[in-house]
Amino acid sequence: EAQVTQNPRYLITVTGKKLTVTCSQNMNHEYMSWYRQDPGLGLRQIYYSMNVEVTDKGDVPEGYKVSRKEKRNFPLILESPSPNQTSLYFCASRPAHRSDSNQPQHFGDGTRLSIL
Amino acid sequence: DQQVKQNSPSLSVQEGRISILNCDYTNSMFDYFLWYKKYPAEGPTFLISISSIKDKNEDGRFTVFLNKSAKHLSLHIVPSQPGDSAVYFCAASARAAGNKLTFGGGTRVLVKP
Repeated sequence: EAQVTQNPRYLITVTGKKLTVTCSQNMNHEYMSWYRQDPGLGLRQIYYSMNVEVTDKGDVPEGYKVSRKEKRNFPLILESPSPNQTSLYFCASRPAHRSDSNQPQHFGDGTRLSIL
Repeated sequence: DQQVKQNSPSLSVQEGRISILNCDYTNSMFDYFLWYKKYPAEGPTFLISISSIKDKNEDGRFTVFLNKSAKHLSLHIVPSQPGDSAVYFCAASARAAGNKLTFGGGTRVLVKP
């Protein structure tokens, strides 16, 4: 089954304690992306990756890091989480070839982070 | 400033009637538009899309209309079913910007039996 898998699904932690949210896709997609969803603001892009070892900032990258060492994995790292990073996070993927560039993204089921 | 706006945060409709969701955008570079549907505790799933060269796209009960001069698109669901109760996100992308998706704030639809 084609899917994007995020872990953990829920996490409550404290300010300053480093955390990583993992994302893995089994569709051999080149493009992967992280979003956060906040009430009334929809989904805002944090970081994206066009392929292995290629990452770039989205609209709200401050306080986040990513890496893309393998095609299937795209972890989101919060080095020193703060309460304003409490949010619902989604990972997504799609093909990145020119002919596929309008292919819709496939989303994971989300990770709800609470930073106290 | 939000480039994609869904001005109605919620919508309630009777089963069998039409649901109309609206979306406005400001960036004239957007050339592709999508609607995603989201159930609680799940990720958004793709529903329907439209290219800027068209003004209408239909898929079963779902139709998207695009008015480029007004920078407005709408999603019609006919007839509405209880299973359509969800949050709907409008999204737009521009080829010139690498097809990055910009989302609206979402509209929560409740279909009453």
